[in-house]
Amino acid sequence: AQTVTQSQPEMSVQEAETVTLSCTYDTSESDYYLFWYKQPPSRQMILVIRQEAYKQQNATENRFSVNFQKAAKSFSLKISDSQLGDAAMYFCAYRISNFGNEKLTFGTGTRLTIIP
Amino acid sequence: DAGITQSPRHKVTETGTPVTLRCHQTENHRYMYWYRQDPGHGLRLIHYSYGVKDTDKGEVSDGYSVSRSKTEDFLLTLESATSSQTSVYFCASVGVLTDTQYFGPGTRLTVL
Repeated sequence: AQTVTQSQPEMSVQEAETVTLSCTYDTSESDYYLFWYKQPPSRQMILVIRQEAYKQQNATENRFSVNFQKAAKSFSLKISDSQLGDAAMYFCAYRISNFGNEKLTFGTGTRLTIIP
Repeated sequence: DAGITQSPRHKVTETGTPVTLRCHQTENHRYMYWYRQDPGHGLRLIHYSYGVKDTDKGEVSDGYSVSRSKTEDFLLTLESATSSQTSVYFCASVGVLTDTQYFGPGTRLTVL
């Protein structure tokens, strides 16, 4: 069974600084997707960024980027120029690449605090 | 984000009573999912549906049932609620040719 591990239950960063959230996963599949979701206090789950395993290039979305290390099964999220609105729970998630009918496996989350 | 709504948004009920949560999506997505979120566990899959009247169990399905009679609606039923089912419940959906699940706003259920 696939597992996703987020070893940092809580992290904090000064506003405008950079922070990296860690995620490792275990799978025997060669083709899969990885995601980072953000959950602010509103509780809404918001997709931050996604990565296809067959792509070697790391995904980037504005201030958010990932460091995808397939051999190490590592998928970290870097947030640059941290803003107060980035404060949230962040969940790493995995799914295999069959379109649509495959469930997500989530990590336990990292709570990110932004220090003004 | 996809148009996914959940109702009710909050519910308090007593042990032993039946409860039904509704998920409604307007994106004509084929696949729908119910997750529960608990501290220290992240989100865990309860049940999912890959089409009308086609459903299957997830990793924490005991005590829950689902039904999907229309593409847009996916119902989660707790036949006899227990305190261990106090949680936040999320619905999600995804289309046939996409690879990203979009989530509803969640339902906070408290079983006393």
